[in-house]
Amino acid sequence: EAQVTQNPRYLITVTGKKLTVTCSQNMNHEYMSWYRQDPGLGLRQIYYSMNVEVTDKGDVPEGYKVSRKEKRNFPLILESPSPNQTSLYFCASSLSRGAGEKLFFGSGTQLSVL
Amino acid sequence: SQQGEEDPQALSIQEGENATMNCSYKTSINNLQWYRQNSGRGLVHLILIRSNEREKHSGRLRVTLDTSKKSSSLLITASRAADTASYFCATDDAGYSTLTFGKGTMLLVSP
Repeated sequence: EAQVTQNPRYLITVTGKKLTVTCSQNMNHEYMSWYRQDPGLGLRQIYYSMNVEVTDKGDVPEGYKVSRKEKRNFPLILESPSPNQTSLYFCASSLSRGAGEKLFFGSGTQLSVL
Repeated sequence: SQQGEEDPQALSIQEGENATMNCSYKTSINNLQWYRQNSGRGLVHLILIRSNEREKHSGRLRVTLDTSKKSSSLLITASRAADTASYFCATDDAGYSTLTFGKGTMLLVSP
């Protein structure tokens, strides 16, 4: 089944403790992206990747890192999480980032930073 | 940067009624997409309309696009309780390589 898999689904951590949210897609998609969703703010893009070893900042990249060493994986790294990074995170992918390509989303990761 | 802005923020209707949601955007676009999100879950693509199209249909969905007014509407006909979800528009900005989402409309369809 074609899908984008994120793990974990729920994560509670403490300030400053490094964490990684994994994202994997099995559709051979070139483009992958991370979004965070907050009440009243909608979805905001954190980072995106056009292909392996090609990543770029979105609208809210501060406090996050990403890497794209393989086509299928695009992990989101929080080196020193802070409470303002408490949010619902989504990974998404598409065949490419040409006009008209639709995004496939993962099920989300609800992160709480205490 | 926020591009699309949905209206209304929330909509409550009865089963069988039609639901109309609007999206306005600020700059030129290549195309506009609509997505649906069930509570707290990942978004699911519904329909795409290109900048040179004015109307598109998919099942009970009808999307219109008015590039002169920089606006789009999503009509769901004969709504069902299962249509209860949040609906987002997203724009492919001309010259950009990202898809920018609005804040969404929450639709509640009561049996």
